[in-house]
Amino acid sequence: GAGVSQSPSNKVTEKGKDVELRCDPISGHTALYWYRQSLGQGLEFLIYFQGNSAPDKSGLPSDRFSAERTGGSVSTLTIQRTQQEDSAVYLCASSPRLALNTEAFFGQGTRLTVV
Amino acid sequence: SQELEQSPQSLIVQEGKNLTINCTSSKTLYGLYWYKQKYGEGLIFLMMLQKGGEEKSHEKITAKLDEKKQQSSLHITASQPSHAGIYLCGADPTGSNYKLTFGKGTLLTVNP
Repeated sequence: GAGVSQSPSNKVTEKGKDVELRCDPISGHTALYWYRQSLGQGLEFLIYFQGNSAPDKSGLPSDRFSAERTGGSVSTLTIQRTQQEDSAVYLCASSPRLALNTEAFFGQGTRLTVV
Repeated sequence: SQELEQSPQSLIVQEGKNLTINCTSSKTLYGLYWYKQKYGEGLIFLMMLQKGGEEKSHEKITAKLDEKKQQSSLHITASQPSHAGIYLCGADPTGSNYKLTFGKGTLLTVNP
């Protein structure tokens, strides 16, 4: 596709369940970013992937959160044993090189609701 | 940690009016980003400012970074309904180019 695609667009899950959020970046973009946006905390950095380099996971809020990027393309963010405070919109972005500027494009996000 | 405070939190203006949104940092800014977000959509990059006193414009939107690099303002001239959305300022406290800290956003409504 022409843009960054995220799926599902909406996800409602029960507390304690695991969820997987998917991000399909723009083809050829080596940099991929995950952010989340919640009512209480605003927009927060989660993790960054750049090519084959080790990702920067410093923004992941707990060890229940993990992310991987297979083949330098699709990325999956996994949240284990979900909690209500995990409810947020999870945004993914990609860019051809390291830069969150005009070259970076965001997906529409996955709205996660933990009940 | 660097904190960004945006004001106002929300703003309602009549079409054609000018408006200003402010972003104040607790520390010196080494890269200030402005984004726009519409409901159900991702972020759209507007501008990035780095130098004290810098000013950039894109169509009817102008952003400035003050000389002390602790405050930025976003000014919209002759607002239109298409300008409606949430405006977010972001800072790059470590110079990483990816690990941004954001303000809580300003919700702009433009009434026709």
